[in-house]
Amino acid sequence: ETGVTQSPTHLIKTRGQQVTLRCSSQSGHNTVSWYQQALGQGPQFIFQYYREEENGRGNFPPRFSGLQFPNYSSELNVNALELDDSALYLCASSLVAGQGGGYTFGSGTRLTVV
Amino acid sequence: QQQVKQSPQSLIVQKGGIPIINCAYENTAFDYFPWYQQFPGKGPALLIAIRPDVSEKKEGRFTISFNKSAKQFSLHIMDSQPGDSATYFCAARSTTGNQFYFGTGTSLTVIP
Repeated sequence: ETGVTQSPTHLIKTRGQQVTLRCSSQSGHNTVSWYQQALGQGPQFIFQYYREEENGRGNFPPRFSGLQFPNYSSELNVNALELDDSALYLCASSLVAGQGGGYTFGSGTRLTVV
Repeated sequence: QQQVKQSPQSLIVQKGGIPIINCAYENTAFDYFPWYQQFPGKGPALLIAIRPDVSEKKEGRFTISFNKSAKQFSLHIMDSQPGDSATYFCAARSTTGNQFYFGTGTSLTVIP
């Protein structure tokens, strides 16, 4: 059984650019959630995907968007990058949206915007 | 607005000591309270969790105490070891939004 895999592990982008982060969920998990973790802070909920549809969204602007694919993998897209978008982006998978227990997190993608 | 407040920000204990990390919440629409452990460069890993109808849960050296009336819960680490040195986050799951609200984290250092 594989865990949650995220790619890339690190990347550097310039302000105004666009970025796509990818996540493969743990085997058997059908729900994917994305979180932003700023340095020294707890993770902040961006959104969740279940059955390829957005199933809840946190307080993030529309330039943060996502996709979930039939194999339950997911992408996080961020347009018009700002310096404050620099953070660790965490993907978490779970078995059923809103049910069961906690998440399984990936190791994250460290995004630096310069 | 911080939905879950966590303290202390950092904690240093001797090996064998019992660090205690506290969290408090305001929103009553939470139905699940996990604790996560995070090592540098890694994502958070689920440590132990409790539901609000239970006052205490123990798993190995880790214990959660939950006080529903006070809206507080805490993590106790018995016989702490240097390998427990990490950042610990409490969290609460919303029954409405399928999202977790995390505390700001506690950096624990266990001195050999």
